[in-house]
Amino acid sequence: AQSVTQLGSHVSVSEGALVLLRCNYSSSVPPYLFWYVQYPNQGLQLLLKYTTGATLVKGINGFEAEFKKSETSFHLTKPSAHMSDAAEYFCAVTTGYSTLTFGKGTMLLVSP
Amino acid sequence: NAGVTQTPKFQVLKTGQSMTLQCAQDMNHNSMYWYRQDPGMGLRLIYYSASEGTTDKGEVPNGYNVSRLNKREFSLRLESAAPSQTSVYFCASGLADLTNQPQHFGDGTRLSIL
Repeated sequence: AQSVTQLGSHVSVSEGALVLLRCNYSSSVPPYLFWYVQYPNQGLQLLLKYTTGATLVKGINGFEAEFKKSETSFHLTKPSAHMSDAAEYFCAVTTGYSTLTFGKGTMLLVSP
Repeated sequence: NAGVTQTPKFQVLKTGQSMTLQCAQDMNHNSMYWYRQDPGMGLRLIYYSASEGTTDKGEVPNGYNVSRLNKREFSLRLESAAPSQTSVYFCASGLADLTNQPQHFGDGTRLSIL
């Protein structure tokens, strides 16, 4: 079985500050890990994914995430927040032999 | 670029009524998916279709049926709507790559059942 835990249903940052959204996973086999972003009244958009190889993954809009097997984590970061980053972010996991399991989401709030 | 198109965008039903949610993708993807999104629950998979002619149950299939009409179209049917099916429904599609997971989502159908 696989699962995902996103720490914090809401995260607030100031514009220009570091963004850190936390994701921990549980999987009995090596996982594939994903981050999606959802803007209001829209569907999800794939930000980045880890499959194999380099553990630091770069995505769209300046986001990146690092796969840390020892910590079972896949935290999402961005050095400097923009107002346009305000959205809900979902971490997700699969083993490749199963369908995707989503976390419950973290709402990112960006203040001027 | 249309991507994944869902119709309708909004719908209100009475308990017991039936309806079909339509989804079409123009990216030549093999895989298509139906999810529901409820507050604080993330997304939960209802049904998916790994390729034309195949469908499989996801995490929450009860009360739903699907049809993969052709490679482009994947519909979701509620035969007898219940208030518990009030939700936002998303269709998605994806390539049959290493992860075989959804990559493009539609903008959703907001369904209320009274």
